[in-house]
Amino acid sequence: EADIYQTPRYLVIGTGKKITLECSQTMGHDKMYWYQQDPGMELHLIHYSYGVNSTEKGDLSSESTVSRIRTEHFPLTLESARPSHTSQYLCASSDLGGARTDTQYFGPGTRLTVL
Amino acid sequence: QKEVEQNSGPLSVPEGAIASLNCTYSDRVSQSFFWYRQYSGKSPELIMSIYSNGDKEDGRFTAQLNKASQYVSLLIRDSQPSDSATYLCAVNQAGTALIFGKGTTLSVSS
Repeated sequence: EADIYQTPRYLVIGTGKKITLECSQTMGHDKMYWYQQDPGMELHLIHYSYGVNSTEKGDLSSESTVSRIRTEHFPLTLESARPSHTSQYLCASSDLGGARTDTQYFGPGTRLTVL
Repeated sequence: QKEVEQNSGPLSVPEGAIASLNCTYSDRVSQSFFWYRQYSGKSPELIMSIYSNGDKEDGRFTAQLNKASQYVSLLIRDSQPSDSATYLCAVNQAGTALIFGKGTTLSVSS
């Protein structure tokens, strides 16, 4: 069982609000990821980090930002939420080791609704 | 552009049958291969990982890898209604982010 946590699990918020989605893992993994997934649709990588003070944008353009100040914590922030941001946000982590340790473990997700 | 291709389905099988899920990938230097299961509204959970050519079995699940053909598959024996989900194939090289396919939806009827 992977120890990766996301809060809140569900969030309904009005347009224009600033929000931060939290993600924490207790496995000591160096790599962490944020994915966006609409119902019934594919996963889209929006941000990733290979360690403290390392962040990169993923394949899908996103108006969100991330930070990695501590190994275990990888929060995602939306400065001004819009209805187009309504989606499920999934956090994942994996070890930075060799080829056989890149298994990603996912958190339970945050379902965001922007009114 | 590195790609992972899966048939979106739905793949429908009767209870007790073998379900066969297929995946092809474009990057020849890929080293690690994974199958995830995702129930509707839930996050993906790892079922199998495979790194070498051949078969790898875990309970009712068998992953098959053929690097020459750039092909990886997942067989589910004695399919159960609880196996109904979307199955995601994922591929990567050492130290890079996983590339996910769009997933195949499996429906097992009782």
